[in-house]
Amino acid sequence: IVMTQTPLSSPVTLGQPASISCRSSQSLEHSDGSTYLSWLQQRPGQPPRLLIYKISNRFSGVPDRFSGSGAGTDFTLKISRVEAEDVGVYFCMQATQSVTFGQGTKLEIK
Amino acid sequence: QVQLVQSGAEVKKPGASVKVSCKASGYSFIEYAISWVRQAPGQGLEWMGWISAYNGITNYAQDLKGRLTMTIDTSTSTAYMDLRSLRSDDSAMYYCTKVDSRDLDYWGPGTLVTVSS
Repeated sequence: IVMTQTPLSSPVTLGQPASISCRSSQSLEHSDGSTYLSWLQQRPGQPPRLLIYKISNRFSGVPDRFSGSGAGTDFTLKISRVEAEDVGVYFCMQATQSVTFGQGTKLEIK
Repeated sequence: QVQLVQSGAEVKKPGASVKVSCKASGYSFIEYAISWVRQAPGQGLEWMGWISAYNGITNYAQDLKGRLTMTIDTSTSTAYMDLRSLRSDDSAMYYCTKVDSRDLDYWGPGTLVTVSS
């Protein structure tokens, strides 16, 4: 399954919202009823960190300004108000059929 | 708290093998799988495979089958990733991750593997 993210780069003003889209080449709904779409954040020089799992569930310790939505083949990560610590690269990931990642979206401050 | 501690950086020659370890703590090791993901410098993420810590069953990425072996030592809560016949394009940061219901929920700090003659 090919994962395509847009945009690949997103300059955002502090305090403003940001949105990243992820499209899969086929539906991510598994036969068990779950949709294994997650979002990861990678800050500069750090390992990736799980933000959102199964489309819309925030992982432990993730601020509520992060939210995920979508279904089927189209998914979105939204940050309601960007903070300086949000700078980094964001990846979508599917684990419905094997595991594949999007190319990554670089979030930077204008 | 969940911790994954990985072995140190490695420099290998083309054709050699590398074995990276990942010692887990802070959770019941055998109840979850361990996955390995690599990232070439400045590049995206590539899933390598996963191994059940309960029974050692593995699932490898197609591209790496034949060169990759993942193992588990439950006595020390340690996972291992062994990659053979190294090439220059295997140079990357290698991460181990804990897997919970297919989610890669905790990540190790990474082990840098450099393949160079």
